[in-house]
Amino acid sequence: DSGVTQTPKHLITATGQRVTLRCSPRSGDLSVYWYQQSLDQGLQFLIQYYNGEERAKGNILERFSAQQFPDLHSELNLSSLELGDSALYFCASSADAGTSGRTDTQYFGPGTRLTVL
Amino acid sequence: AQKITQTQPGMFVQEKEAVTLDCTYDTSDPSYGLFWYKQPSSGEMIFLIYQGSYDQQNATEGRYSLNFQKARKSANLVISASQLGDSAMYFCAMREDTGGSGAGSYQLTFGKGTKLSVIP
Repeated sequence: DSGVTQTPKHLITATGQRVTLRCSPRSGDLSVYWYQQSLDQGLQFLIQYYNGEERAKGNILERFSAQQFPDLHSELNLSSLELGDSALYFCASSADAGTSGRTDTQYFGPGTRLTVL
Repeated sequence: AQKITQTQPGMFVQEKEAVTLDCTYDTSDPSYGLFWYKQPSSGEMIFLIYQGSYDQQNATEGRYSLNFQKARKSANLVISASQLGDSAMYFCAMREDTGGSGAGSYQLTFGKGTKLSVIP
């Protein structure tokens, strides 16, 4: 158990809909990262939040957004869903204490499997 | 150009034997970290081992060791005494340190993975 929790574990929805994925980081970790894993694109970084502020953006679509709340949990919002958005979405957390060492290892949650029909 | 290359889509190893999974990387940043993660069929991503670019010694974690050859930009994972439970996808990832003192972003770039199958 990595200590990172994600809900829900599975999500099935229809095209055009909006969903929210939730992540709680490990105790003490300030950074939350979101990744998407799909068969054609592999594992891709979407976005990072550090202590409530957006820190970096990767290959995140404009239809997607995220936020990190004062209690450090994070939500990834996916809207106007398309078939191609079906994927496994991971949240990872790390201390990101600036040590650039092993202590900044990212620990992944169990993922949310999104299926868009 | 791909930042992380894993050239072995699939590998087979006999139980109790050792196996090496290849990973090469590309970066011009002098400070970076290399990671290996395991993804069983259940889907979770499990951290295995870390190697920092300035580390003088190869990292080891139990049955996992990392054969780090900086000049060749390779970071191969060695699993000793393979077990049936080692059957999984293995991903090599790189973290480039784009900032320091807590101000940077340390997102990971992943390779495409190697599927390891352990044969009894």
